[in-house]
Amino acid sequence: DAGVTQSPTHLIKTRGQHVTLRCSPISGHKSVSWYQQVLGQGPQFIFQYYEKEERGRGNFPDRFSARQFPNYSSELNVNALLLGDSALYLCASSLAGTGGEQYFGPGTRLTVT
Amino acid sequence: RKEVEQDPGPFNVPEGATVAFNCTYSNSASQSFFWYRQDCRKEPKLLMSVYSSGNEDGRFTAQLNRASQYISLLIRDSKLSDSATYLCVVTFRFTSGTYKYIFGTGTRLKVLA
Repeated sequence: DAGVTQSPTHLIKTRGQHVTLRCSPISGHKSVSWYQQVLGQGPQFIFQYYEKEERGRGNFPDRFSARQFPNYSSELNVNALLLGDSALYLCASSLAGTGGEQYFGPGTRLTVT
Repeated sequence: RKEVEQDPGPFNVPEGATVAFNCTYSNSASQSFFWYRQDCRKEPKLLMSVYSSGNEDGRFTAQLNRASQYISLLIRDSKLSDSATYLCVVTFRFTSGTYKYIFGTGTRLKVLA
């Protein structure tokens, strides 16, 4: 079975632009979470979605938004990019949105110039 | 005080040594606990969940101490391949039913030949 997949793997954007990152969870998993990881830090929780509803939100500005589709895949959108948004964006898949084990995709490395 | 704290290390140990990491958390209502391993520029990989009674998986033993609010990871007979960053994760459930996953900043381990 395929694990968590994310696209694209790398992305370079300019300040002020918008970006969309995509994630497909493990087959049978209904929950997707998004994290931002900057070098030297642990992943920071952005959102969790379960059955297309937001189940958790971290301390990120409204420029960050996400959604989950009927097939449980998810998109993370970031508007008005800042240099500080440069990071590894990780998607994690879990069976349900109940605080259980999560499995991570390879991430999307975003560079904002 | 940070919600989840880890000693960043690095811990430099010889092959075959036993090494232990602790992770403290501030919220006594935290629900679930996990250890992840992260190699350089890769995604975190689930190492083990941490159960109240403690649990073991081969050379790895995890323990939870709710009274003192910490979890620990013990690695016996260290291998060169154990060199990585070890991240602890704590989940917290809000009264709304939503969850938040909080990662520590990670502890770097380097096993020396």
